[in-house]
Amino acid sequence: KQEVTQIPAALSVPEGENLVLNCSFTDSAIYNLQWFRQDPGKGLTSLLLIQSSQREQTSGRLNASLDKSSGRSTLYIAASQPGDSATYLCAVLVSGSARQLTFGSGTQLTVLP
Amino acid sequence: DAGVIQSPRHEVTEMGQEVTLRCKPISGHDYLFWYRQTMMRGLELLIYFNNNVPIDDSGMPEDRFSAKMPNASFSTLKIQPSEPRDSAVYFCASTPPGGGRRNEQFFGPGTRLTVL
Repeated sequence: KQEVTQIPAALSVPEGENLVLNCSFTDSAIYNLQWFRQDPGKGLTSLLLIQSSQREQTSGRLNASLDKSSGRSTLYIAASQPGDSATYLCAVLVSGSARQLTFGSGTQLTVLP
Repeated sequence: DAGVIQSPRHEVTEMGQEVTLRCKPISGHDYLFWYRQTMMRGLELLIYFNNNVPIDDSGMPEDRFSAKMPNASFSTLKIQPSEPRDSAVYFCASTPPGGGRRNEQFFGPGTRLTVL
């Protein structure tokens, strides 16, 4: 059974810092990996999706990488801003599982002004 | 596009009452998912549909939970009777047809359910 782990559970950084969020998964037979952002009391917003054949995806200040063989993904946030404060979740789509995503428990990020 | 729409946004009810949550997926999307999120268990997939047909309901916790999708633009999740441990945020999500990047899931704002 696929398990997804995100460490740390919470992270606090001063504004302007570059930071990395980690995601690991136990079964490397994935179809894709998706990073989401969740603001308090809100739904999930898709940030980046990496196909299993890709190594990274970029969107603005965000860069997500994928190392399928080691079961790891990272989300890099450059020049962090207070508006980046949210919970970040990663989710994997296991090959052959139709459309079922397995989610990590998330990293709660606080960017201090 | 309005995105995935869920109603109500908040629901407070008493134990034993029936609760119905509603979802309208993004137009043209052919997969619809119902999730539950709690502090203790995180995000859990309850059930998902493809072209209005339930594909996997193994995540539905008990027979008190049921879900329907009578057409491509509407789905309901019903809890009868409700219990305090059902208190959670319930999300609906949808994905467009096809493979590749189209596996990206789009989430609604959620329904926060409180059962007293």
